[in-house]
Amino acid sequence: SQTIHQWPATLVQPVGSPLSLECTVEGTSNPNLYWYRQAAGRGLQLLFYSVGIGQISSEVPQNLSASRPQDRQFILSSKKLLLSDSGFYLCAWSVGVGPNEKLFFGSGTQLSVL
Amino acid sequence: AQKVTQAQTEISVVEKEDVTLDCVYETRDTTYYLFWYKQPPSGELVFLIRRNSFDEQNEISGRYSWNFQKSTSSFNFTITASQVVDSAVYFCALRKGYGGATNKLIFGTGTLLAVQP
Repeated sequence: SQTIHQWPATLVQPVGSPLSLECTVEGTSNPNLYWYRQAAGRGLQLLFYSVGIGQISSEVPQNLSASRPQDRQFILSSKKLLLSDSGFYLCAWSVGVGPNEKLFFGSGTQLSVL
Repeated sequence: AQKVTQAQTEISVVEKEDVTLDCVYETRDTTYYLFWYKQPPSGELVFLIRRNSFDEQNEISGRYSWNFQKSTSSFNFTITASQVVDSAVYFCALRKGYGGATNKLIFGTGTLLAVQP
């Protein structure tokens, strides 16, 4: 069965420090991968998605970047964190196209930038 | 433009009460999908249901039921005989097209449901 791992679960970082959040998927190949952010009191916002290794699409301009060095690995990064980067970050994956496609989410990372 | 509105920010009910979570969507597409996700306190989003725009049949799954009305662009979610374990944030989401990473989920802002014992 497919599983998605996301770490760390919580992270407290000072403003201006770098960030690296990692997400890996097991039990499937060539998944579509996504990074979502949930700011306090707000819905989920799509940040990045990837349809393959090295293929990254950004949804909103921001202080973050994403990379996909391997088929089932998706990394969210920042060179210098801002206070506004605080939030709950969720990695997700989906496979295939058509009516049976569903999004499966990881357990999330709570990032606090102080 | 696509948009999902969940007007209810928080709902509090007592166990065994029925509760309906509202979802109103906007889209110009004729083919689209609607979703409900549950986010328990642990944070992980749990898929509940997907409905495509051509299927207006209501669906029931145990204590959960969904009412899809294209005429009012609504996709409401009802929990019958609520339980404490139902306490969570519930998200309604919209996606256009037939899938693929380019067809992204647009989420509402969520409704926090608190079920009191």
